[in-house]
Amino acid sequence: GEDVEQSLFLSVREGDSSVINCTYTDSSSTYLYWYKQEPGAGLQLLTYIFSNMDMKQDQRLTVLLNKKDKHLSLRIADTQTGDSAIYFCAVSSGGYNKLIFGAGTRLAVHP
Amino acid sequence: DGGITQSPKYLFRKEGQNVTLSCEQNLNHDAMYWYRQDPGQGLRLIYYSQIVNDFQKGDIAEGYSVSREKKESFPLTVTSAQKNPTAFYLCASRGGSLSYEQYFGPGTRLTVT
Repeated sequence: GEDVEQSLFLSVREGDSSVINCTYTDSSSTYLYWYKQEPGAGLQLLTYIFSNMDMKQDQRLTVLLNKKDKHLSLRIADTQTGDSAIYFCAVSSGGYNKLIFGAGTRLAVHP
Repeated sequence: DGGITQSPKYLFRKEGQNVTLSCEQNLNHDAMYWYRQDPGQGLRLIYYSQIVNDFQKGDIAEGYSVSREKKESFPLTVTSAQKNPTAFYLCASRGGSLSYEQYFGPGTRLTVT
């Protein structure tokens, strides 16, 4: 079945850029998403990209999609302590009714 | 304020009891979803509903049941048949058929002992 893989942990210094990576197996995924989860909370939709795009920028967030390698990344510029959270990659499967989630990358930002 | 509400935030039950988790949205969204989150894992889809009075099983529907009698409400019942019910449960909704964004509620943490 479909699978989404993420590294589990990333530690960065405040002010640096963070890059969170994700690989997926379903080449027919049309929509690809990044969600943020803070402790004990629900998921916040950060951004998304259509499969016919290579890049999308939204303020401090840049999403890169390499469809050939089935690789998605999220770059956070000027990372702040408030960015510390778990980041989930998700891809659509069988239309946009169903999302397949990765296990999440825990981002720790230190001074 | 428009959004998705889930209640309660924490829920405790004894093994063998059924329990119903509430999910309400005032976004006028057609589709609603229930996910389960376990520590260190991604979200897994339990059930989803694209329209009132219709719902489909997700990947892990065994031991769960849902209803969709109203557009704004999609309650999830965790039955005694669910072998490992302790988890964080998240409800989500999506707009019309041309919408591709799922929005999530704050979640309910269920503990069964």
